[in-house]
Amino acid sequence: DTEVTQTPKHLVMGMTNKKSLKCEQHMGHRAMYWYKQKAKKPPELMFVYSYEKLSINESVPSRFSPECPNSSLLNLHLHALQPEDSALYLCASSPSGQVPAEHFGDGTRLSIL
Amino acid sequence: DAKTTQPTSMDCAEGRAANLPCNHSTISGNEYVYWYRQIHSQGPQYIIHGLKNNETNEMASLIITEDRKSSTLILPHATLRDTAVYYCIVRVGRAGNNRKLIWGLGTSLAVNP
Repeated sequence: DTEVTQTPKHLVMGMTNKKSLKCEQHMGHRAMYWYKQKAKKPPELMFVYSYEKLSINESVPSRFSPECPNSSLLNLHLHALQPEDSALYLCASSPSGQVPAEHFGDGTRLSIL
Repeated sequence: DAKTTQPTSMDCAEGRAANLPCNHSTISGNEYVYWYRQIHSQGPQYIIHGLKNNETNEMASLIITEDRKSSTLILPHATLRDTAVYYCIVRVGRAGNNRKLIWGLGTSLAVNP
């Protein structure tokens, strides 16, 4: 069981659709992350929020729009995605501190038709 | 670019120790080594991290060479449930939650009965 909950677990959408991925944690962590993972590859960092402010954007295309409404929630809004955006999207959180360990959810598997 | 190199795959007999090597010859003095694993269809799971001293927890031991250019993750008594991809990672960046994980390509460990 994971303490980081992601919904939905699977999502199929067309290239013109708008959808959102959701992530929730109740561990009091103040940093939250979005990663993208393609098959047989390591996760790639997309965004980092620290204390509800965006602190890292790894040059992600604007069709991905993150949002951190409060310290427990993280959303990823999707619009006009391309087939190559099909992947596993992972959310993680970590506590404050010098050497935090990130706790991951089990991801949303996204397929773009 | 990855800062770590790992063997692509390894086998281990159930009940024996699994020793997973990692090279990180370009690691800087304040960069930590992290290990995560990912079981099929799950999110990555934190195992252990260290800077220069050897570390042990309930899951594994981490042995870091004195020059910090390589490390070994040891699972003392491997079970079938330890079959997973093991990632050796370097945490880079300036401070706190603005640091990020630089993932290696991972070692696929198969524990055989």
